[in-house]
Amino acid sequence: QVQLQESGPGLVKPSETLALTCTVSGDSISNYYWTWIRQSPGKGLEWIGYIYSSGSSSYNPSLKSRVSISVDTSKNQISLKLSSVTAADTAVYYCARVVRGVTDWGQGTLVTVSS
Amino acid sequence: DIQMTQSPSSLSASVGDRVTVTCQASQDISDYLNWYQQRPGKAPKLLIYDASILETGVPSRFSGSGSGTDFTFTISSLQPEDIATYYCQQYDRLIFTFGPGTKVDIK
Repeated sequence: QVQLQESGPGLVKPSETLALTCTVSGDSISNYYWTWIRQSPGKGLEWIGYIYSSGSSSYNPSLKSRVSISVDTSKNQISLKLSSVTAADTAVYYCARVVRGVTDWGQGTLVTVSS
Repeated sequence: DIQMTQSPSSLSASVGDRVTVTCQASQDISDYLNWYQQRPGKAPKLLIYDASILETGVPSRFSGSGSGTDFTFTISSLQPEDIATYYCQQYDRLIFTFGPGTKVDIK
């Protein structure tokens, strides 16, 4: 069974770049779509973007200018970078695999933007 | 951009009740619509994909219907473990959009 684990700094300063890594175990990342989704405290789900294992990607138009998602098939990892962060980017960030829908989720990691 | 609305935003019902949540897309999305359950403190879980297909292992009391712009999610007999927030999500034109969610409580 596939497992996803998000990792990265839990605290990021305003105007800096948030960088997270998702390590996938139990299956290859090849031939799947992988997505990042976030949830601000007490709020709903917001799709950030997704990437296919070949590298083709699609991003939320509202975040597109600040977001980059990449894959490293040799390490079985997916990465997220979000630049110029503000307090509004404070959220639990989930990585997930897309099969029939968003089928397999990581546990999520809380990232707080604060000085 | 496609916008998703859900109603109601919250509801309380008794164990055994039939619960219905509606989701509306701002434009035609065919059947590109999924439903998720998120229990407090947990990651969401896929329940229904392609508007009406039950994900493997999901109890049959959950169901979905609809196409185009109007969709319905139903719990036929509410159970205590169904306390959660339910989200619809569209995936038309390579963009995902989640609805705002419906919080379901036990009365």
